[in-house]
Amino acid sequence: EVQLVESGGGLVQPGGSLRLSCAASGFTFSYYHMHWVRQGPGKGLVWVSHISGDGSSTAYADSVKGRFTISRDTAKNTVYLQMNSLRGEDTAVYYCVRGGRPFPAYWGQGTLVTVSS
Amino acid sequence: DIVMTQTPLSSPVTPGQPASISCRSSQSLVYSDGNTYLSWLQQRPGQPPRLLIYKISNRFSGVPDRFSGSGAGTDFTLKISRVEAEDVGVYYCMQSTQSPYTFGQGTKLEIK
Repeated sequence: EVQLVESGGGLVQPGGSLRLSCAASGFTFSYYHMHWVRQGPGKGLVWVSHISGDGSSTAYADSVKGRFTISRDTAKNTVYLQMNSLRGEDTAVYYCVRGGRPFPAYWGQGTLVTVSS
Repeated sequence: DIVMTQTPLSSPVTPGQPASISCRSSQSLVYSDGNTYLSWLQQRPGQPPRLLIYKISNRFSGVPDRFSGSGAGTDFTLKISRVEAEDVGVYYCMQSTQSPYTFGQGTKLEIK
């Protein structure tokens, strides 16, 4: 059974940093792209970033480019999202999503990031 | 970026009656491999999104057959043949043809 478990969310001040983790199990981790999608309070879904199976290729939404960095550790079956220079508009639930087809079939439960002073 | 536009944004439905949601993309979603990567997701209150339909009309594992998808090119539709109480939530269309992947604004399905 595919499982994705996010962690690392919390309250952070504007300008601060946070690192999210997503522990994956139930599939061959290195075979799949991994994505982060976020949802602001009462708002819709927004794709944030993805990373290829071997970690060689990444992509970011314009709104986070230069501030967020996605990475993965195959030995730990974990994907990370390093978030720097956080702003109020980054407040959201962050979901980890497995790539591959069909997409997007597998989602974690999400982790809440609140940026506030 | 491809813009996804859903209508309506809210849909009150009587149980047992049909419901329909439209989704229009700002450009064709046909990929170079000939497939159209248009998906429909359901998000129940307090839950993560759940994949219902992929590649326009393919039901994902475990999705009831009262859900169906149709369309082509830039115009797509999700239909629920007979709405049940458990169908309450927000429905999103999403394109994964071109990066950045984009979602519709969401359509809130409510029971009358």
